[in-house]
Parts: sequence; structure tokens; C-alpha cells
Amino acid sequence: AQKVTQAQTEISVVEKEDVTLDCVYETRDTTYYLFWYKQPPSGELVFLIRRNSFDEQNEISGRYSWNFQKSTSSFNFTITASQVVDSAVYFCAQYNTDKLIFGTGTRLQVFP
Amino acid sequence: DTAVSQTPKYLVTQMGNDKSIKCEQNLGHDTMYWYKQDSKKFLKIMFSYNNKELIINETVPNRFSPKSPDKAHLNLHINSLELGDSAVYFCASSRGHVVHEQFFGPGTRLTVL
Repeated sequence: AQKVTQAQTEISVVEKEDVTLDCVYETRDTTYYLFWYKQPPSGELVFLIRRNSFDEQNEISGRYSWNFQKSTSSFNFTITASQVVDSAVYFCAQYNTDKLIFGTGTRLQVFP
Repeated sequence: DTAVSQTPKYLVTQMGNDKSIKCEQNLGHDTMYWYKQDSKKFLKIMFSYNNKELIINETVPNRFSPKSPDKAHLNLHINSLELGDSAVYFCASSRGHVVHEQFFGPGTRLTVL
């Protein structure tokens, strides 16, 4: 069965540190899609990235980067030079049969 | 303009009452969803509608009834509210199939006393 595991429940860093949020997925499908969403303290869910299984190229968007490794079934998310505004809960998710399966989320706290 | 809006933002009610949450999207999407987020932040899909047709009903108690009067609206009606229904409910929409990114509403925090 499809499953998404975010083993890190909570991470605390000091501003300007780099931080990596781990995501491990399970699937038997050859075609699949992975997502990251951010939920800041205000509560809304913000889409960050979608990646399909055929595209293993790493993605960089400003201070954000994603490392997709099929060999280890991981889709990790790195924030470089973290800022206080990065404080949020981050969810990894996988598309499965018409729905998104979310991981349990990682709460990131960035202290000044 | 807000892309996906929900009303109300907060809802406090007594056990046994019936309540509704409304959702509207102005993105022209044809698929809409309801999610429930519990106190531990666990996020789980409840329903999805595509072009007003129910696609997913994720073993939700039949006290919960979604209604989609048109593609831009998906309302959630809850009968006989229970304490365990307390959660944040999110509406979302996407263009076509779920592999497209989903845009979420601000959430409705429901508290059942």
C-alpha cells in the first residue's frame, strides 16, 4: 500500500542554518507523483512542489531545493539559510488512486 | 481575490447539532475536495467531487454529506455533531485530476462542545 513517512516530528534550528526535511514513500506503481506542502502558523496549506516518478532531476527554487532519489524512495526537502518565516509544518504527500496521501508532517521552528 | 474561500472560519457548537461549512473556488477548477485535519495535524481526505460528481468517499460517517450545487461550490453538511468531529476542515480544488496541485482554502476550525 502507498505510504508516506516523515520520521522527523519536529526540528529546531537557528536562523541561517541549513535544514533538511526527510520524506520516504512507499509505492508499487511505476508512475507516481510526490508533493510538498507548507502550513505556516496562520493555518493555510501552500503548495510547494510536485514531482513525477520519471523526473529525478533535483529542483531548486531560491533557498528551497528538493532531492528525489528513487533508489532510496526518498524525496527530501532542504531549506538553505533558513529564516524565521520558514517556521511552519511541512507535509510530504503522494498521489494514490485519485487522492493525496499525506505524511504526518514535520514542524520546523526557526529561531532568530 | 481569494482563490478558495470557506465560511465560516470558526464554528463552535454543541453536540447533536447540525452545521454546514461552505466552500467556493474562483479558479475555474472542476475538482474539489474536503479534508479533515485533527489535533495532531494529521491531514486526511474525506471527499472529492469532479464536475459535481462524487469521486471519493473515504469511509466517512454518513452524518457527513457533501453537496456540490455547481463546479465552483462544495459544501459540507454535518448532522448530529459529535465531540470527535472537532477538527480543522479544509476545502481544496484542482484543475482536473488530483495529480495537479491542489489549492487549499483557509480552513474552518470546528469545535464541538
